[in-house]
Formats: sequence, C-alpha cells, structure tokens
Amino acid sequence: QQQVKQSPQSLIVQKGGISIINCAYENTAFDYFPWYQQFPGKGPALLIAIRPDVSEKKEGRFTISFNKSAKQFSLHIMDSQPGDSATYFCAARRGGTSYDKVIFGPGTSLSVIP
Amino acid sequence: SQTIHQWPATLVQPVGSPLSLECTVEGTSNPNLYWYRQAAGRGLQLLFYSVGIGQISSEVPQNLSASRPQDRQFILSSKKLLLSDSGFYLCAWSRPYEQYFGPGTRLTVT
Repeated sequence: QQQVKQSPQSLIVQKGGISIINCAYENTAFDYFPWYQQFPGKGPALLIAIRPDVSEKKEGRFTISFNKSAKQFSLHIMDSQPGDSATYFCAARRGGTSYDKVIFGPGTSLSVIP
Repeated sequence: SQTIHQWPATLVQPVGSPLSLECTVEGTSNPNLYWYRQAAGRGLQLLFYSVGIGQISSEVPQNLSASRPQDRQFILSSKKLLLSDSGFYLCAWSRPYEQYFGPGTRLTVT
C-alpha cells in the first residue's frame, strides 16, 4: 500500500494552543518521514523530518512523534501562532529506488486564530 | 546553497495551445528532478521524475511530457492543453531522502 493517510483535513486552533496533525501508513518500505509546510501560492517547504528508528524529534515549536509499531506519526505545533496558518503535508519516502519516491498525504489546512 | 527557479510564475492559456514550463536548479550537480501537479485544495501528484540528462520517467499517463536537456534544467511541455491541465505545477529537486520544491507555476487553461 502506497498511501499515506492524514487527518484532520482542516484544523482551527487558538493562538498559543497546540496543533496536532496525524498521519498513518501501511508500507514498511518507507524509510523517512518528512513534513512540509505550504503557504498559499507558494511551493511546499520542508519543515521537519524523522527516521523510523527515532520515536521523537523536536525543532523549536515543532515536534514529530513516531510510532513504528502502529505505523503512525504526528506533528505537534506548540504555542501555535497566526503565522503558522498554512497547509501541512506529511509524507513518506520509499527506500530502495534510484530516486526519492515520496508519497504525500492529502494535507491539513491549519488556521490559527488570535 | 541550492536554489530552484520556475517560470513563468503564472500563465493563462487557451485550450489547445502549447505549453512550456521551465525549472532550473543552482548550487548542485546531477540532482534528481521532479514535476508535480497540485489541484486546488488538493495534494501533490507526481507527474515525472528524472535521474539524469535525457532520462525521464512518467508516473501517470497524461497529456504532458517532460524533458531534461541539461543537468540542472527540467522542462514540462504539452502540444495541446486541456481544461483539466489547469493547476499549480511544482518542480522539485532531491538529495538523498529530502525533496525541495520551487515556487511553482499557476496554470489556468481557459
């Protein structure tokens, strides 16, 4: 199964709150799990990424939690700010190919309200 | 540092007209290159990838084609545009494990 499932489709969070986006996958050949942030009219930007042998990675206010046995991973945005309002894509890279085959989730539209 | 450029930024074309979108990468050599399409409010669909000059692989059958005439140049083309070709076209390059996207081209077919 090549899919990456992502939820929720949209999310509204108060300023200062925690935003949580969840993703799930089936293919055990995935070996890298990046998150991308996309502002309207712009290309997606790599935000943070994790390897499956690590359970958590934190960069500033952004944290990835990874559960290998459950094949699930999530993005937590602490102290959410209006500037975080964007669409977030989780993704999974399939190893063993000559190129970086990356499967993207459908995206979550995050709105942080003041 | 690496930079990826795309042009034009926006394009409005009539149905049946040809298309040429260009992507160039600076600051790296022999990158893997990719073309994605993103429909409004939707996710990213991989259209083509290239692992070297003249080497193009297509992920989905479609009205578009791609070419890589130089190491850091990737071109997306069509001979006759369809309404369904409208969307946001993104070029990307990768180094092992990570892909980096360009600013995108908004194509509207009328």
